[in-house]
Amino acid sequence: QVQLVESGGGVVLPGGSLRLTCAASGFIFRGYAFHWVRQAPGEGLEWVAVISYDGIKTDYADSVKGRFTISRDNSKKTLFLQMNSLRSEDTAVYYCARDPELIWDGKPFDYWGQGSLVVVST
Amino acid sequence: SYVLTQPPSVSVAPGQTASITCGGKNIGDKSVHWYQQKPGQAPVLVVYDDSDRPSGIPERFSGSNSGNTATLTISRVEAGDEADYYCQLWDSSSDSRHFYVFGTGTKVTVL
Repeated sequence: QVQLVESGGGVVLPGGSLRLTCAASGFIFRGYAFHWVRQAPGEGLEWVAVISYDGIKTDYADSVKGRFTISRDNSKKTLFLQMNSLRSEDTAVYYCARDPELIWDGKPFDYWGQGSLVVVST
Repeated sequence: SYVLTQPPSVSVAPGQTASITCGGKNIGDKSVHWYQQKPGQAPVLVVYDDSDRPSGIPERFSGSNSGNTATLTISRVEAGDEADYYCQLWDSSSDSRHFYVFGTGTKVTVL
């Protein structure tokens, strides 16, 4: 069965960096685009970033553009989110989510991981 | 940027019908998806492309979309339907940037 497992979350100081990982299993990883979506405590969902099946195309929400980098390693069936210059407002649970297409075009996210909590605080 | 507005909360008695709205400018021209999220869990897709259901989702969940409002309807509500619900769409109206947008979320309480 499809499984997405995030890791790498934790507590980090403002201005610091963190890398999240999403390990995939149960399907052909290289056949799908992937997203990162976050949810601040007690708040709603916010789309963060997307990457195409081959890692060539990416896009970001304005709130993280220039600070976050999405990438993937198809040989290891793993998705990454490198987060730099972290701010308190980046505190959230970060979910990886699968897109049913090779390159995103508005289809819904069909599978989600359980999330990884990132806390940016002194 | 495109804004999707949902009522913060909806309360419904078991067996009754819950309607959750998602308002946006000319939303009827876009494809809307709906997710259910229970406390401490990841979101689950319950309706996609306005009114289609993924396999495994009960027929009690249905959707519609027209004008400036999309609606998720839950018929014969059960205690297990208590959750937060989010609408979502892909805003491709700009030639240069396309964004995924989520609604503000609605908490459904089963009385």
